[in-house]
Amino acid sequence: GDSVTQMEGPVTLSEEAFLTINCTYTATGYPSLFWYVQYPGEGLQLLLKATKADDKGSNKGFEATYRKETTSFHLEKGSVQVSDSAVYFCALSSMEYGNKLVFGAGTILRVKS
Amino acid sequence: DTGVSQDPRHKITKRGQNVTFRCDPISEHNRLYWYRQTLGQGPEFLTYFQNEAQLEKSRLLSDRFSAERPKGSFSTLEIQRTEQGDSAMYLCASKRTQSSGANVLTFGAGSRLTVL
Repeated sequence: GDSVTQMEGPVTLSEEAFLTINCTYTATGYPSLFWYVQYPGEGLQLLLKATKADDKGSNKGFEATYRKETTSFHLEKGSVQVSDSAVYFCALSSMEYGNKLVFGAGTILRVKS
Repeated sequence: DTGVSQDPRHKITKRGQNVTFRCDPISEHNRLYWYRQTLGQGPEFLTYFQNEAQLEKSRLLSDRFSAERPKGSFSTLEIQRTEQGDSAMYLCASKRTQSSGANVLTFGAGSRLTVL
């Protein structure tokens, strides 16, 4: 079935460092891809999305490009802030899986000042 | 638009007791989803409703679990005879059905269950 694999954390960075969180997926069809973020004590929030190959999703300085050839959707940010500390989830949805979201295990990001 | 509300935020119970969680979705959202999230894992799909109809249930949803959405607005998730393995965060999410576009859900903050 459809699945998402993302890099294990925690990822610990200093403020203004470059961030990459890897995400790869397995899907039988052509899924839409998402990054959700969960701040402490809050619900998951959509960070960005991409619906077809080569699309780039972007929001709040974060970017991810839908790479069909490598089945990847890596999250990047050029300069992280302490306020970016959170858990980041990669997810997909596909018609073949009833359009339900399938999540990766999440990656904890800690940014130190 | 006050977002998706879940109640209670935290519940501690003893093994064997019944618990019920409530979710109030965004008012114009006709689809409502329940997910379960255990420590160190991503959310896992449990069930979803379109209006008052429960359209799909995951195999994770054992006979001890029941979900309702009687008037197509709020939903309840009841767990009977709780077990320690039920300890998790129960997440509710909602969306408005779209004929096209990506499947974007709005999540509540979750209800954390601890079974002693």
